[in-house]
Amino acid sequence: GAGVSQSPRYKVAKRGQDVALRCDPISGHVSLFWYQQALGQGPEFLTYFQNEAQLDKSGLPSDRFFAERPEGSVSTLKIQRTQQEDSAVYLCASNPGGGGQETQYFGPGTRLLVL
Amino acid sequence: SQQGEEDPQALSIQEGENATMNCSYKTSINNLQWYRQNSGRGLVHLILIRSNEREKHSGRLRVTLDTSKKSSSLLITASRAADTASYFCARSPINIGYKLSFGAGTTVTVRA
Repeated sequence: GAGVSQSPRYKVAKRGQDVALRCDPISGHVSLFWYQQALGQGPEFLTYFQNEAQLDKSGLPSDRFFAERPEGSVSTLKIQRTQQEDSAVYLCASNPGGGGQETQYFGPGTRLLVL
Repeated sequence: SQQGEEDPQALSIQEGENATMNCSYKTSINNLQWYRQNSGRGLVHLILIRSNEREKHSGRLRVTLDTSKKSSSLLITASRAADTASYFCARSPINIGYKLSFGAGTTVTVRA
């Protein structure tokens, strides 16, 4: 079956622009996660959804970052007034369970470059 | 890192040799997951080992977990050029198991 998909795969933004990154999880997966991966580093947790409820947003770096999953399936990560330090790969993952403790299935990521 | 380290940072081996990389952690875990990432791609799940397990195998992969030492290792046997990638361990902490904590990873290069 289809895996996690993300769009766009690449995004170039001018500093100060708003961007929206989309994640389509595996169909039926209850849990959805966003991670940020800086160059040469491992992914860092941003936020966690269980269905449409955002249960943990402790990893969002600032109030410029906002994530939503209004119908419990597709999710959007929005970054307002982008800064150069926002340049990174943004990874989305999902898993079937509500507890979120099991294997997470990752998408290919969106590579964001802020100029 | 507050959550632990992975070593080595980089590893270069000849095709057919074995590759071993290690992962340490500081706080108690539900499980530990190993992932592979090819350049510019997403993470591919390899193995999940639970805190009450000591060893797991999957094909040419072997993972061990020593909770007394708070460490894990991933062994790739009979390496192939296609194994060239970055390997990450992800710690699933007790009580917040969904919040995977990754290290900086080990970059493995397999020379033909």
